[in-house]
Amino acid sequence: DVKVTQSSRYLVKRTGEKVFLECVQDMDHENMFWYRQDPGLGLRLIYFSYDVKMKEKGDIPEGYSVSREKKERFSLILESASTNQTSMYLCASIRDSSSYEQYFGPGTRLTVT
Amino acid sequence: GNSVTQMEGPVTLSEEAFLTINCTYTATGYPSLFWYVQYPGEGLQLLLKATKADDKGSNKGFEATYRKETTSFHLEKGSVQVSDSAVYFCALAPWGAGSYQLTFGKGTKLSVIP
Repeated sequence: DVKVTQSSRYLVKRTGEKVFLECVQDMDHENMFWYRQDPGLGLRLIYFSYDVKMKEKGDIPEGYSVSREKKERFSLILESASTNQTSMYLCASIRDSSSYEQYFGPGTRLTVT
Repeated sequence: GNSVTQMEGPVTLSEEAFLTINCTYTATGYPSLFWYVQYPGEGLQLLLKATKADDKGSNKGFEATYRKETTSFHLEKGSVQVSDSAVYFCALAPWGAGSYQLTFGKGTKLSVIP
């Protein structure tokens, strides 16, 4: 079974802190995604990566950056956390561009106070 | 651009009731369509999919038929169980090779009571 893991299930940070969210997949997938999930808004794509060191902006990249130094790991970085970044963050991966099924991690619920 | 509209929840049903969650989409060409499910405390997982018009996706008693003429992909189940309580997301993948970014609806929360 494909497994996508995220470093934390719950995280509480203060305004202005730098925050790292880690995601690891164990199936050698090429493409990885970061979403945020908010009530009434569904899932919104923040960034995605189609290869090591490659990244593309999604729909809401402002306030975020990403890093993909190894194929299995995709990190989301909040350079200076703000209260409006309190949300559920979901990581996903997909085998390649011919496959549409995205495999999701369990999510990290981030609270910024 | 592409968009997915699904019925707003929450939806509350009694066990063994019939379920329909409506989903319509806007996209050019022939997108692929999906239903994902998110159980409490978990990430999303693929429930079913359909990749061309008139295809029916099915899994775990759930069904959805890709209707090109009405741009719809409604989710149905004949008899829901308490264990079906979850949030359901309709999604599309745009038409064309290499287009694997999904566009999601806002989600519909289903609660099934005994």
